[in-house]
Amino acid sequence: AQKITQTQPGMFVQEKEAVTLDCTYDTSDQSYGLFWYKQPSSGEMIFLIYQGSYDEQNATEGRYSLNFQKARKSANLVISASQLGDSAMYFCAMREDDYKLSFGAGTTVTVRA
Amino acid sequence: SAVISQKPSRDICQRGTSLTIQCQVDSQVTMMFWYRQQPGQSLTLIATANQGSEATYESGFVIDKFPISRPNLTFSTLTVSNMSPEDSSIYLCSVDRQGARGYTFGSGTRLTVV
Repeated sequence: AQKITQTQPGMFVQEKEAVTLDCTYDTSDQSYGLFWYKQPSSGEMIFLIYQGSYDEQNATEGRYSLNFQKARKSANLVISASQLGDSAMYFCAMREDDYKLSFGAGTTVTVRA
Repeated sequence: SAVISQKPSRDICQRGTSLTIQCQVDSQVTMMFWYRQQPGQSLTLIATANQGSEATYESGFVIDKFPISRPNLTFSTLTVSNMSPEDSSIYLCSVDRQGARGYTFGSGTRLTVV
């Protein structure tokens, strides 16, 4: 079964607007971590934000925020004030007790001027 | 967070040959992970490399095809053996820094097999 589900293959967003990328996960572990990574066309993986399963507050890192809804097992990424440089592939990932990361299929974001 | 130097950054190889990818970390880490990213796809874990023990391979990946070495706590290699065009992918190494929240990735090796 898929551990991480990203249902949006691609999204377009206007520059300066906000965009929400969906991520749902499946785990029976009580302790787990959720991550979002950005992968530009260069191929590097850039860490954006982290949410621990026991964190009560939603994580924020600059223009990135994570909307964590534990009961629904969702961890959506919100990018505010989109910039042209935000055009990239975005991956949601989960770490369980074995410390391995499981990745979703990814969402391609294209920012329009 | 850790800095990882991965090389080569890209290579074009003939089918039937082997390529060894190296990752050097700037500090000691317990676990190193190797991923494959096929064109247009997500990242798939190949194996976990622990120093002093054999690598642990994920389903669908075998040691004969992807031998891994982990001679110390800062270095690891992944070899892609007897390559075919289906092995054309980006290969990435990653480390989990104890206490850090973000896994750090190498810059990736873009492999094309012709």
